[in-house]
Amino acid sequence: GQQLNQSPQSMFIQEGEDVSMNCTSSSIFNTWLWYKQDPGEGPVLLIALYKAGELTSNGRLTAQFGITRKDSFLNISASIPSDVGIYFCAGLNSGGSNYKLTFGKGTLLTVNP
Amino acid sequence: NAGVTQTPKFQVLKTGQSMTLQCAQDMNHNSMYWYRQDPGMGLRLIYYSASEGTTDKGEVPNGYNVSRLNKREFSLRLESAAPSQTSVYFCASSARTGPVRGYTFGSGTRLTVV
Repeated sequence: GQQLNQSPQSMFIQEGEDVSMNCTSSSIFNTWLWYKQDPGEGPVLLIALYKAGELTSNGRLTAQFGITRKDSFLNISASIPSDVGIYFCAGLNSGGSNYKLTFGKGTLLTVNP
Repeated sequence: NAGVTQTPKFQVLKTGQSMTLQCAQDMNHNSMYWYRQDPGMGLRLIYYSASEGTTDKGEVPNGYNVSRLNKREFSLRLESAAPSQTSVYFCASSARTGPVRGYTFGSGTRLTVV
């Protein structure tokens, strides 16, 4: 089956630093999604990407859909303590009846004030 | 809008006991999913229901059963709980038409089997 390799597994940064994380796949996806999971909660959608090469921002977050369609990147600028959580990438091939996301294993982000 | 509601939020079971985790969504979504989350393992799909009346196994279905009761509700049953089923369980739902927006998740059920 399809697999997503998400890296890094964890990050410890100081408040104000920028953060980068990425996902790579052995298969092509036609949609990439990035989720954030706050401690004790379920994942929440941050950004959705629909076209190869697409660059999309949501506040201090910027995500890109790789041109090979096999990777995606998430950047967080000027981190703040509430950025703490687990960030998941997810890929989707939405053709036919197989509407199932493939998730990466997550990046655990810790921000030191 | 409540989104996806899971009950209970916490549960402790003894080995061999049974229980049902409840999930309901109010977004008129067609598809619903059950995941478990364990440290370092990410989100693993247990079962899913592409539409009302259908259910399919995911990556880790052993020890679980599901029921798609109607379009709104999708329950997960543990017939004989084992310590290996200690985990956080998430229900999710998604639309099947319109722009792809991924899944909407509930806030989880934290299950401990002793």
